[in-house]
Amino acid sequence: SAVISQKPSRDICQRGTSLTIQCQVDSQVTMMFWYRQQPGQSLTLIATANQGSEATYESGFVIDKFPISRPNLTFSTLTVSNMSPEDSSIYLCSVGQGLSTYEQYFGPGTRLTVT
Amino acid sequence: AQRVTQPEKLLSVFKGAPVELKCNYSYSGSPELFWYVQYSRQRLQLLLRHISRESIKGFTADLNKGETSFHLKKPFAQEEDSAMYYCALRGSSNTGKLIFGQGTTLQVKP
Repeated sequence: SAVISQKPSRDICQRGTSLTIQCQVDSQVTMMFWYRQQPGQSLTLIATANQGSEATYESGFVIDKFPISRPNLTFSTLTVSNMSPEDSSIYLCSVGQGLSTYEQYFGPGTRLTVT
Repeated sequence: AQRVTQPEKLLSVFKGAPVELKCNYSYSGSPELFWYVQYSRQRLQLLLRHISRESIKGFTADLNKGETSFHLKKPFAQEEDSAMYYCALRGSSNTGKLIFGQGTTLQVKP
């Protein structure tokens, strides 16, 4: 399975600022995803990070608020822009492998607190 | 609409007792279903895929299309099974995205 790392592991930020989270994979993968896990909640998909093209956002998430980059098949970034306390969450990167026997692997997550 | 429902937020059992974590889904096509587990201070990891029909750590799950369920079962719970369990649905083979249930915390008491 792919080994996924995320930076930073946690951060405390002031409202109105932005934070960029990095996701690095040890092998080339086709699909990369960004999820949010709000306190006491389940995981919600933010967007699919597409290599070489714009990310595909889920309903309720927009590019201005969560810009995503995916410059190659092993790396992606998610920026949380103009943060408010409601953005306090764990942000997780995941990668998908296989098509017929699909599996998705998760990074350790970035715990963000906005004050 | 695609949806995954885990009706229990918390399931508490004694060591050695049987465990059943419930998962129901809503999807009009042929779904792929998964169970993920998150142990304390560890990352989310894949436990089971319905397509594999496997048993991992003594856990099994059978897809019941008639009841649209994918319950996770283990005949004898162990303390190390204590964790958060998420049921997830992959509805569209083109996108690969997963839809997660709310999660069930399994607490196995000694």
